[in-house]
Amino acid sequence: EIVLTQSPGTLSLSPGERATLSCRASQSVSSNYLAWHQQKPGQAPRLLIYGASNRATGIPDRFSGSGSGTDFTLTISRLEPEDFGVYYCQQYASFPLTFGGGTKVEIK
Amino acid sequence: EVQLLESGGGLVQPGGSLRLSCAASGFTFSNYVVTWVRQAPGKGLEWVSNINQSGDRTHYADSVKGRFTISRDNSMNTLYLQMNSLRAEDTAVYYCARRQTTVNTWGPVDFWGQGTLVTVSP
Repeated sequence: EIVLTQSPGTLSLSPGERATLSCRASQSVSSNYLAWHQQKPGQAPRLLIYGASNRATGIPDRFSGSGSGTDFTLTISRLEPEDFGVYYCQQYASFPLTFGGGTKVEIK
Repeated sequence: EVQLLESGGGLVQPGGSLRLSCAASGFTFSNYVVTWVRQAPGKGLEWVSNINQSGDRTHYADSVKGRFTISRDNSMNTLYLQMNSLRAEDTAVYYCARRQTTVNTWGPVDFWGQGTLVTVSP
């Protein structure tokens, strides 16, 4: 099983600032099959990034993903008020599918 | 518009059973791999089960293997999750989700339903 560890647990930032979220895998994620999802309170998650660096349909270009192997990063270049929430990484290279524990991005 | 609408959640006693349904619309259901993901109150996301397009390949998390059964009816555009021998730790919102699917690859979850709450309690 691929264990995903996200850091930090909480990120306190102001609108306009840059957010950098990390996701580390316990073993290499083949083909960089790593996705990022955003979840706001009381809502279902939403896919942001797949294949480590590809934005999903309709996702603004302030969101970008990078990384390969075991280390992946989600960057939000300039935080907008609607970007606050919890972000999860997910690997879909092998079963069981696994998610990281999440990073909460909150308003400072 | 892609829609996934879960139903069947509710309160059940430990050891009981429940069947969740997920009605799909806005896309060709039979072309997609679909999956169940759950989220315990205040916790993160946990993958539960996955089924391929034709329904003949299924996968389960160890935590539910032998107790839960995933199935689908492509003629009805519906996904199911039969849950037996329920435990308190199965209490969660259960999301039906579509996976990005091509001829050769099963991709990430690319669309989520709104979820249905299952509460296992005496």
